[in-house]
Amino acid sequence: SQQGEEDPQALSIQEGENATMNCSYKTSINNLQWYRQNSGRGLVHLILIRSNEREKHSGRLRVTLDTSKKSSSLLITASRAADTASYFCATERGGSEKLVFGKGTKLTVNP
Amino acid sequence: DAGVIQSPRHEVTEMGQEVTLRCKPISGHDYLFWYRQTMMRGLELLIYFNNNVPIDDSGMPEDRFSAKMPNASFSTLKIQPSEPRDSAVYFCASSLRGTSYNSPLHFGNGTRLTVT
Repeated sequence: SQQGEEDPQALSIQEGENATMNCSYKTSINNLQWYRQNSGRGLVHLILIRSNEREKHSGRLRVTLDTSKKSSSLLITASRAADTASYFCATERGGSEKLVFGKGTKLTVNP
Repeated sequence: DAGVIQSPRHEVTEMGQEVTLRCKPISGHDYLFWYRQTMMRGLELLIYFNNNVPIDDSGMPEDRFSAKMPNASFSTLKIQPSEPRDSAVYFCASSLRGTSYNSPLHFGNGTRLTVT
């Protein structure tokens, strides 16, 4: 079963708008990671947030983590057409190296 | 750093044939992972290695699938015999120290396998 579940499944916005994607998970985690996948390419790591962190920033990316609700969000500010991609959250099953991915949010940024 | 290198990029084969997918991880990375991606099931972890040793192969779907890592710079995933339901994109990824040490995964660009 999927550990992480992203929401929404698809999101279409205009360039310059902000995009917010959510992820829910079921078990305790050491960290939660977000990845981006462009069409026909491999996944690229964006940001990792540890279980004792609540918020993390990287450029136009902002990630929050609420361990009490077992949820995370990824905010992309001032989106660009180049941000068009699928975004995945991933969590590891406590203590193992098995990183489990959700099915992703497909983001389309219209120019 | 060339990143994780996978070959071939595309593979088309007939049902019953043997298929071998190849991966060269990033030098110095201790962990190597094989994932499979389909529309229906998303990304599934098949197997992972630590220092060339298979640690968990519980995601390998059937005995038709096997994976090896003869040295730190090379891994193969073999399917014998292949079936149409094996059609998917297969990704190899490597990690410096593993997820539990907060090391992210670095993915190759995948091998798109089509079994007819």
